[in-house]
Amino acid sequence: GAVVSQHPSWVICKSGTSVKIECRSLDFQATTMFWYRQFPKQSLMLMATSNEGSKATYEQGVEKDKFLINHASLTLSTLTVTSAHPEDSSFYICSANRGGYGYTFGSGTRLTVV
Amino acid sequence: DQQVKQNSPSLSVQEGRISILNCDYTNSMFDYFLWYKKYPAEGPTFLISISSIKDKNEDGRFTVFLNKSAKHLSLHIVPSQPGDSAVYFCAASARSGAGTASKLTFGTGTRLQVTL
Repeated sequence: GAVVSQHPSWVICKSGTSVKIECRSLDFQATTMFWYRQFPKQSLMLMATSNEGSKATYEQGVEKDKFLINHASLTLSTLTVTSAHPEDSSFYICSANRGGYGYTFGSGTRLTVV
Repeated sequence: DQQVKQNSPSLSVQEGRISILNCDYTNSMFDYFLWYKKYPAEGPTFLISISSIKDKNEDGRFTVFLNKSAKHLSLHIVPSQPGDSAVYFCAASARSGAGTASKLTFGTGTRLQVTL
């Protein structure tokens, strides 16, 4: 149990286009989901906290107009990278909270902007 | 400001020996700590956690020790196995408001290699 599906696992897009990443909790409901970004050989940096039915809370330094988060249901959160540029190339990971300190992570999305 | 630090970027241990991974934190509001194992291009997998009211938690080959006064925790793996080779992250959380999930702050990671 407690599976989080993240799609796509990798994507290549042209500079200036937008990319949507989906994060689904398959067997539990997640009021809160988190989005992280990881650069090579670095830590997971929290980008934003996504709450079902309300606006996401962004960490300091994260552009909310560039990284659009939608959490329309208790099992789905999406991250859209708008007008992507090469510096947005990174590994994006979502996490769904199962309650308390229970977190299940998705398998990640490798975004490459060319 | 890196609130959670893992000062050893890599560690090599012989199979069967003990692996000790260390983690230091600066935020005294952290009250729950977790260890995750991560392979390249995959999401982290939960290993073990500890609440700040405890100083030790054990689960099979994995034991986590917490020294609150030193703001230090460690993960012990014994005996180490080749399949343990991965990057290990510690994470810390501070209690949030009632009904809201706490966010995790991750350390910088330690790459463990278990050799034959």
